[in-house]
Amino acid sequence: SAVISQKPSRDICQRGTSLTIQCQVDSQVTMMFWYRQQPGQSLTLIATANQGSEATYESGFVIDKFPISRPNLTFSTLTVSNMSPEDSSIYLCSVKGLAGQETQYFGPGTRLLVL
Amino acid sequence: GDSVTQMEGPVTLSEEAFLTINCTYTATGYPSLFWYVQYPGEGLQLLLKATKADDKGSNKGFEATYRKETTSFHLEKGSVQVSDSAVYFCALSGNQGGKLIFGQGTELSVKP
Repeated sequence: SAVISQKPSRDICQRGTSLTIQCQVDSQVTMMFWYRQQPGQSLTLIATANQGSEATYESGFVIDKFPISRPNLTFSTLTVSNMSPEDSSIYLCSVKGLAGQETQYFGPGTRLLVL
Repeated sequence: GDSVTQMEGPVTLSEEAFLTINCTYTATGYPSLFWYVQYPGEGLQLLLKATKADDKGSNKGFEATYRKETTSFHLEKGSVQVSDSAVYFCALSGNQGGKLIFGQGTELSVKP
């Protein structure tokens, strides 16, 4: 498996502000994903980050709220815009396609608390 | 659409007890099946996987067998340890662009 890092690891933010989360992989991967894990809940896919084109969003998630970039095969960012307390969650990036494998591996997550 | 259902937690066991966490799925075609584990305060780690019917995934004493006839992928361990305390997620990857569909998670607490 690869080494996947996320920054920041945690943050406390005020409502109405925005936070950008970075995901870095130490090798090139085919696919990168962003998930949300609300307190005590399972994981929900926000979007698939596509290299060089717009992300593909799941139902219930929109680009204006969660803009995503993926400028190359090892890096992606997720921005949580105009935050409210309901956005308090763990945000995780995952990658797929390491050495042709189909398994998804996850980063350590970013713990966000919105006051 | 595809879905995964896990037994509800929390599950509380004594050390060295036998563990079973049930997982069933609904999917078209032949999905790959996974168990992930989330230790307190950490991200998700892949525990084991199976990619076709009758495959058995195993790791760290945990096992799960891909049962197509019962659409199940139950997680088992013969003797749990306190260090196994975590939340366990069953997941599938089907024909939906590679994304993972997760069950709701089962919290396991092992007491000494």
